[in-house]
Amino acid sequence: QVQLVQSGAEVKEPGASVKVSCRASGYIFSDYYMHWVRQAPGQGLEWMGWINPNSGGKQYAQKFQGRVTMTRDTSISTAFMELSRLTYDDTAVYYCARVPRDVGTAMFDYWGQGTLVTVSS
Amino acid sequence: QSALTQPASVSGSPGQSITISCTGTSSDVGAYNHVSWYQQHPGKVPKLMIYDVSNRPSGVSDRFSGSKFDNTASLTISGLQAEDEADYYCSSYTNRDTWVFGGGTKLTVL
Repeated sequence: QVQLVQSGAEVKEPGASVKVSCRASGYIFSDYYMHWVRQAPGQGLEWMGWINPNSGGKQYAQKFQGRVTMTRDTSISTAFMELSRLTYDDTAVYYCARVPRDVGTAMFDYWGQGTLVTVSS
Repeated sequence: QSALTQPASVSGSPGQSITISCTGTSSDVGAYNHVSWYQQHPGKVPKLMIYDVSNRPSGVSDRFSGSKFDNTASLTISGLQAEDEADYYCSSYTNRDTWVFGGGTKLTVL
């Protein structure tokens, strides 16, 4: 069965960086783009960007340009999202979610369980 | 990229039907048939309910349906049930090869 398993909760100080991992299983890793979505407490979903596990190509939301880096390690079917220069507003649950590479369809069909990142001094 | 516009809240009684709108622009909702809808219960992971405007994934009740006209997509839930009470989010692919979500709608079953 398809599973996206994320790394555990993190507590970071303002100005620090955080790196969240998302290990995929149950499907061919390169057949799906991996996206990252975050949700601040009591707020809605916010799209951050995607990475193509096959080519390493990526696209980030303008809001996070210069501060987010998405990478992948195909040998362990794992995607990573690193966010730098953290502020209190970055406190949120961060999700990975896959989207088929098939250009005929676009949907987040499987999601990771979420990783809570708390920015606190 | 601005968020898609959804009503903050909707409500309905059991057995009734409700519709949640999702308004974007000609660069996202109006440009592609790549609108999807997600249900999220408190503290839970979002669940895909509708994809590519009107398609239901396997296992999703046929009480859920989707449509689109111009720059506005809609999610309709018929025969409302208590378990449908949740937050609902729309999402669309955009012409910048990015995605955007709506602000979310809280559905209350009276």
